[in-house]
Amino acid sequence: DAKTTQPNSMESNEEEPVHLPCNHSTISGTDYIHWYRQLPSQGPEYVIHGLTSNVNNRMASLAIAEDRKSSTLILHRATLRDAAVYYCILRDLLYNTDKLIFGTGTRLQVFP
Amino acid sequence: DTGVSQDPRHKITKRGQNVTFRCDPISEHNRLYWYRQTLGQGPEFLTYFQNEAQLEKSRLLSDRFSAERPKGSFSTLEIQRTEQGDSAMYLCASEVGMVVTEAFFGQGTRLTVV
Repeated sequence: DAKTTQPNSMESNEEEPVHLPCNHSTISGTDYIHWYRQLPSQGPEYVIHGLTSNVNNRMASLAIAEDRKSSTLILHRATLRDAAVYYCILRDLLYNTDKLIFGTGTRLQVFP
Repeated sequence: DTGVSQDPRHKITKRGQNVTFRCDPISEHNRLYWYRQTLGQGPEFLTYFQNEAQLEKSRLLSDRFSAERPKGSFSTLEIQRTEQGDSAMYLCASEVGMVVTEAFFGQGTRLTVV
């Protein structure tokens, strides 16, 4: 399974942008980069995914480095509700039964 | 509400007893996953179904654990002869069936073995 590395924790103030980094130096050409987050006492929820190009959706943006060995999840204006553990996960297109493998993620704290 | 339902939400059992959890996935989702999560850790993969076929089981899944998905709809996870180390949150997830998609997770069943 391809591995990702994330900081254990990050802090932000409300209404400020947040950049959550993820390193995946052993990524293969068919790995998609997925982000999930887990709010307290909830199951994980999907945030965004991408392959090579930067992606935007209503929740966040995903910036992918040109060599694809790192990516950054961007929350444009953090709210208190964004306080969660964020997981960066690689899934391989070739194996379409590939499961999500979670690491320990980044715990994001948001201060008022 | 993600559309994935798990029952019960909480279960307290005595060591040595058997427990069974149920997961109802989103109806058109043909893939179903079970995960276990302990405090401070990310979810750990346990097993995976495509329709009614159990395609993969983690090495973490001892022979006391069994999962079924009859008719490719709901799934059950049974733990026999529970041990205190089985105390965890058990999460179920479902997805449509293509890798480039999102998985939907239930809120989990919290098991406490006393």
